[in-house]
Amino acid sequence: KAGVTQTPRYLIKTRGQQVTLSCSPISGHRSVSWYQQTPGQGLQFLFEYFSETQRNKGNFPGRFSGRQFSNSRSEMNVSTLELGDSALYLCASSSTDPNSPLHFGNGTRLTVT
Amino acid sequence: GQQVMQIPQYQHVQEGEDFTTYCNSSTTLSNIQWYKQRPGGHPVFLIQLVKSGEVKKQKRLTFQFGEAKKNSSLHITATQTTDVGTYFCAGPIGGGADGLTFGKGTHLIIQP
Repeated sequence: KAGVTQTPRYLIKTRGQQVTLSCSPISGHRSVSWYQQTPGQGLQFLFEYFSETQRNKGNFPGRFSGRQFSNSRSEMNVSTLELGDSALYLCASSSTDPNSPLHFGNGTRLTVT
Repeated sequence: GQQVMQIPQYQHVQEGEDFTTYCNSSTTLSNIQWYKQRPGGHPVFLIQLVKSGEVKKQKRLTFQFGEAKKNSSLHITATQTTDVGTYFCAGPIGGGADGLTFGKGTHLIIQP
């Protein structure tokens, strides 16, 4: 089985711009979660989608949003970028059970200048 | 808020020495998971513990889940250079309503 695929791998944006990141889960996985990883805060949960519905949401401002399509692929969007949004954004897919392990993609490294 | 704490943050060991990282949750967990992230890589699932007092082994790695299901540990025997990376524990704090909550990880640095 192919793993979780995230695109792009690297992105450089300017403050105030917006960005869209893409994630294709492992075939058959219907849950997709997004995490932000920074050296200071570690891995922080952004949101989880299951069957095109947001199932859980972390403590991030409304500038962070996401969606999931009928084929389970997911996108996350960050609007009005701030310098502090620079991070590694990781997508993870899992099976139906909420306690099942996460399978992470390679991540998108976002740099905001 | 509810969280998962990990210690130590960094651990330097000589190759061949043992290594242990500890994880504590502010609340009882239904399960705990361990992940490893190599430098420049992404977290990779290692194991999941579900039962109180559970002990699982993977070759040189031994994982334990505390009796109260609030703490866990990962012990590596006779470390090798391939063990380098950051080890994270994670649990469904609040029943998973906030996703899987990760500890900040223990960075294992091995000196040959």
